[in-house]
Amino acid sequence: DIQMTQSPSSLSASVGDRVTITCRASQGISNYLAWFQQKPGKAPKSLIYAASSLQSGVPSKFSGSGSGTDFTLTISSLQPEDFATYYCQQYNSYPHTFGQGTKVEIK
Amino acid sequence: EVQLVQSGAEVKKPGESLKISCKGSGYSFTSYWIGWVRQMPGKGLEWMGIIYPGDSDTRYSPSFQGQVTISADKSISTAYLQWSSLKASDTAMYYCARLGSEEQLDYWGQGTLVTVSS
Repeated sequence: DIQMTQSPSSLSASVGDRVTITCRASQGISNYLAWFQQKPGKAPKSLIYAASSLQSGVPSKFSGSGSGTDFTLTISSLQPEDFATYYCQQYNSYPHTFGQGTKVEIK
Repeated sequence: EVQLVQSGAEVKKPGESLKISCKGSGYSFTSYWIGWVRQMPGKGLEWMGIIYPGDSDTRYSPSFQGQVTISADKSISTAYLQWSSLKASDTAMYYCARLGSEEQLDYWGQGTLVTVSS
């Protein structure tokens, strides 16, 4: 299985901050990388696919980049509704594994 | 509008069987893979497996192979996740999600909470 490692596991940030989350794959996955946001008690929401393509309806403050083994999710200006846990997932090969998650908390 | 609506919460005893469902609407159900994802209490997301309702082709994570069965009934646009003998460790929230045109998970169900306790 491909292992997905996110860093950091958690972070504290203020409203208006620029936030970057990193996801590393244990082997190359081309650009088959997705990002999800999950708020407490809610289903995950799809944000980005193909490493950098925004899912329909997702605001442009979210952006993704990377290819091969190293990827990033950036939130350009953190807003109160963005405090959540974020997951990356590779879908290059089965099983389509997730990272362990990054919890973004209010400073 | 694409929607995935899952069946309601379940409380079961160890050893019992269970089948939960995920009904798709607003798109061609037979043309997209459906996946299942587990989230144990306070933990992260785990990919369980996927099914293509058009021909019932199925792929499982090795971690879940033999532990669950994924199936679909295309006549009623519904995918299923079932257990033949539940364990306490199966207690979790289970989500279904559609795989989009590039195999990314795009639309999610609301989740089904399964509680297994004696």
